[in-house]
Amino acid sequence: DAKTTQPNSMESNEEEPVHLPCNHSTISGTDYIHWYRQLPSQGPEYVIHGLTSNVNNRMASLAIAEDRKSSTLILHRATLRDAAVYYCILRMGNQFYFGTGTSLTVIP
Amino acid sequence: GAVVSQHPSRVICKSGTSVKIECRSLDFQATTMFWYRQFPKQSLMLMATSNEGSKATYEQGVEKDKFLINHASLTLSTLTVTSAHPEDSSFYICSASYGTGFYGYTFGSGTRLTVV
Repeated sequence: DAKTTQPNSMESNEEEPVHLPCNHSTISGTDYIHWYRQLPSQGPEYVIHGLTSNVNNRMASLAIAEDRKSSTLILHRATLRDAAVYYCILRMGNQFYFGTGTSLTVIP
Repeated sequence: GAVVSQHPSRVICKSGTSVKIECRSLDFQATTMFWYRQFPKQSLMLMATSNEGSKATYEQGVEKDKFLINHASLTLSTLTVTSAHPEDSSFYICSASYGTGFYGYTFGSGTRLTVV
């Protein structure tokens, strides 16, 4: 029973924006939407999180749909170092449940 | 800040032996830590939630006698894989909450366990 749905893989050209989508149609009112990314053989790294409003930080932006059933992680200018698996996660209570993630390839 | 240190980063052990993995919060107190395992090309699967001073809560299908979790202090949780077998070979990752519910989690760098 997947709590989040993401495309398996995406590609982007270097220096171009990337929009990574995530569907979470079963989200409840108190679930935060978190995004983490993972490089091979490393632990996940925090990217951004939000509840209802769009969020911006130095790494990325998070656009949350009005009904909260989907969200989009936006990397404004992809670099080679952004190549990773990106996970959209719903925090349910005290626990994180990871979806399958999107493997992002950045093309030089 | 909010660093979680995990040790060892990789370990090879013989089938039938036990292996202990440590997870430490370096600059904050973590009342709750989480343990995940990850198979190649797959996502992280939550194994258990570790609460300081109490028994861990295991996810459905995870054998608590196989994966012993101890959280004896606010900065240390350990996962012991008992009587390891080749099918236990995996990438094990811990995480801890570094603030109130708003702030999310920080993850360790993971432990690659290979059972031969």
